[in-house]
Parts: sequence; C-alpha cells; structure tokens
Amino acid sequence: NAGVTQTPKFQVLKTGQSMTLQCAQDMNHNSMYWYRQDPGMGLRLIYYSASEGTTDKGEVPNGYNVSRLNKREFSLRLESAAPSQTSVYFCASSGLTHQPQHFGDGTRLSIL
Amino acid sequence: AQSVTQPDIHITVSEGASLELRCNYSYGATPYLFWYVQSPGQGLQLLLKYFSGDTLVQGIKGFEAEFKRSQSSFNLRKPSVHWSDAAEYFCAVGALSSNTGKLIFGQGTTLQVKP
Repeated sequence: NAGVTQTPKFQVLKTGQSMTLQCAQDMNHNSMYWYRQDPGMGLRLIYYSASEGTTDKGEVPNGYNVSRLNKREFSLRLESAAPSQTSVYFCASSGLTHQPQHFGDGTRLSIL
Repeated sequence: AQSVTQPDIHITVSEGASLELRCNYSYGATPYLFWYVQSPGQGLQLLLKYFSGDTLVQGIKGFEAEFKRSQSSFNLRKPSVHWSDAAEYFCAVGALSSNTGKLIFGQGTTLQVKP
C-alpha cells in the first residue's frame, strides 16, 4: 500500500548544486504532478505529466526540469539550485480524468 | 484569471464547537472541487470531492461541504471539532472541460483546536 513514494525526504544543497527528486507511484495512474509548497502560498504546480511520454509546464516551471521515465516514475531536477528554491516539494498522481490526486509525503529541500 | 481564495489564514476553535472553513473560487469553466487536509510533516489527504449532482457532499472524519454555484463557494463544515482535527486545510479546484487533471489550490487555512 505504498501509494506515492518520494525520495529523499530531506536534502540540504549549496547554491549552484544540482539535484534530482524522485517520485514513484504504484497505483497505475496516468497523470503525475510536481508541486512546491511555501508558507501562505498553498501548492503551486511546477510541471505535470498528463500521460506517459508527455510533460507540460505548470505555474512555476523556471529553474526546473522533469522526466517521465515510465508510467510509474516522474522525476524533478534542479540543474543549478538557488536559495529561492528552498521549499517543500510534493509529487502527486491521479488516475482517470477528474479523479482526486494522491500525494506523497514530500521532500524538504533547503538551499544555502 | 482562475483563482481559489481561502479568506481565513488561521482559525482557532474550541474542541466540540462547530467549524466552517471558507473557500471561494473564480473560474471560467464548470468546476470540480476538493478539500484536502495536511497534518504536520505529511502529504495531503483527500477529505471530500464534488463533481456534480447533490451540492452537499459528505467526506471522511465527519466533514461535509456545500457547493454554491451562485456564490462561487465550497465551504467545509464539521458539527463538532475534535483535537485531532488540528491541521492545515486546502481547497482545490479543477475544470471539468480539461483532461489534464490540473488543480489550483487555495492558500490554506490552519486550524487550531483549543481544549
């Protein structure tokens, strides 16, 4: 009953370092999403993948790239980390259109 | 522009008291809506959802929400709050006309429960 699994749970980076956040779901969902959560701003969509083989920008894509490796996995990459990217990152997935999104427990990322 | 507003950033209620958390949306398309709850250090858990039909929907943990199209609102209610309900609550809205499943989230309301 894993659902959506994110790794790592915590990470500290220095400015300019690169990092890939991993996400995997075992619910056979078509769609996957990456959000960032900052105090007072709710969740903001970074990138999403409506189906395997497709990815699209969300509300705040700058500074990030994604890869939909297969139906299960959707990774988020920071090529050159900046302090403004300090946040909690959530991955989510959903099955049929208009169904609820299921969330992982998040990755807490600090960039010094 | 599409937006979701939760007017109350922080709410404190006494245990056993009733609760109403507000959610207002501005959307050009017919919406579908969710309420999620987030405990500290955790991901978001679905409380309830509305797609169509009966505008009063029931969810888990004794929560309910009412969709009012004329007021562009989807307020969350609970008759009697328990200490374990202390958490952050998010309203989210999507467009029925879209097949991407993208949602817009409100800013969140933090609920504190007094003993």
